[in-house]
This record gives sequence, C-alpha cells and structure tokens, in this order.
Amino acid sequence: QVQLVESGGAVVQPGGSLRLSCGASGFKFSTYGMHWVRQAPGKGLEWVAFIRYDGTTQNYLDSVKGRFTIFKDTSKNTLYLQMNSLRAEDTAIYYCARLQYQLLVRGGFDYWGQGTLVTVSS
Amino acid sequence: DIQMTQSPSTLSASVGDRVTITCRARQSVSSWVAWYQQKPGQAPKLLIYKTSDLESGVPSRFRGSGSGTEFTLTISNLQPDDFATYYCQQYNSLFTFGPGTRVDIK
Repeated sequence: QVQLVESGGAVVQPGGSLRLSCGASGFKFSTYGMHWVRQAPGKGLEWVAFIRYDGTTQNYLDSVKGRFTIFKDTSKNTLYLQMNSLRAEDTAIYYCARLQYQLLVRGGFDYWGQGTLVTVSS
Repeated sequence: DIQMTQSPSTLSASVGDRVTITCRARQSVSSWVAWYQQKPGQAPKLLIYKTSDLESGVPSRFRGSGSGTEFTLTISNLQPDDFATYYCQQYNSLFTFGPGTRVDIK
C-alpha cells in the first residue's frame, strides 16, 4: 500500500536551516509528481512546493521562493524540502503529498503523509 | 496566484442533514477543483477531483459540481463521520487551497 512518511521537523532559530524528508513506498516513485503542503497551528492548508515526476520542474509558493528547495532522490524513494533563512511564519506542520496521476503534472493530492512539525522560534 | 474563497466558514448541522459548501475562484479554473476532508490531528483526505469525480472509497453522499469560478460540495444524509473541515483546491494554475469550512454538530 502507498505510504508517505515525513521526518526532519524540529525547533530552529529564525534565519536557520532545516531539511525535511519524505520516504515513499508502495508505488513507483519515479513516475509521480510530489508536493509539500504546510499547515500553521490552527490554520488552513497552504501549498508550498511541487516537483515534476522526473525532477525537471519545480514550482514554489511566492513566499518561499529563493529560500526553499524541493528535490527528490529516486534511488532512495525520498522527497526532500531544504528550508533556508527560516522565519517565524514558516512554523507549521509540513506534509508531503502525491499527485494522483502518473507521468502528469495536474491532479489532486491522493496520498498524504502524517506530517512533521517545524517550529521557528528563538 | 489564484485566490479561493469558501462559504460559510463554519456550518452547524445535524446527522441526516444535507449541507452545501461553496467555493469561489478569483478567476476561472476550468474544472480543475478538488475537495479535501480533514479531521483534527489527521492529514487531509482527497474526496473529489476535477470538480465532480469521486475518489475511490469515498461514499456517494459526497457530490461536487460547478465550473469556471463557482463550485459546490454537497454532503447528503450527513453522517457522524462527516463532521470535519473541508477545503477546496484549485490546480488550474499552480495550486491554491480555500480557507476551509468547518462542519460541526448542531
């Protein structure tokens, strides 16, 4: 069965860096686009970043452009989110999610991990 | 980016009720709208994609409709398991979620 497991969340100071990981299993990771979505405490969902199934294209929320980088290691079936220059407003649960269709770039998010908490605070 | 709004923000209903949530896009998103259900402490769950297609395993009491800039999620015969927060999402141009509608028990 499809499983997504995030890790790497932590408490980090403003200006600091963190790398989140999302281990994928139960499907052919190399043929699916992947997303990061975040949810600040008590708030709604906010899409953060997308990587095309072949890794050739990445898209970002405006407020994280230049600070966050999404990438994947197909050999390890793992998705990553490198977060630099972190701000208090980046505090959230970060979820990885799978795009529902193989080899496409448009679709719903059909599987989600359970999330990992990032807290940016001094 | 395409802004999404939802109404109402909170909805109080009883088991057996029919409820409707409306989602509006600032500009046309064609039919590229999905709906998600989220319960406290859980990850979101995909219910409907491409406006009206039901995700596998989702009960048929969930129905989506609309096009262009206005979309609705209707839940018929509300069940105890349906009390949750619902989000619409557009994926016509990148991805944007609506602010959510919480459905709670009257």
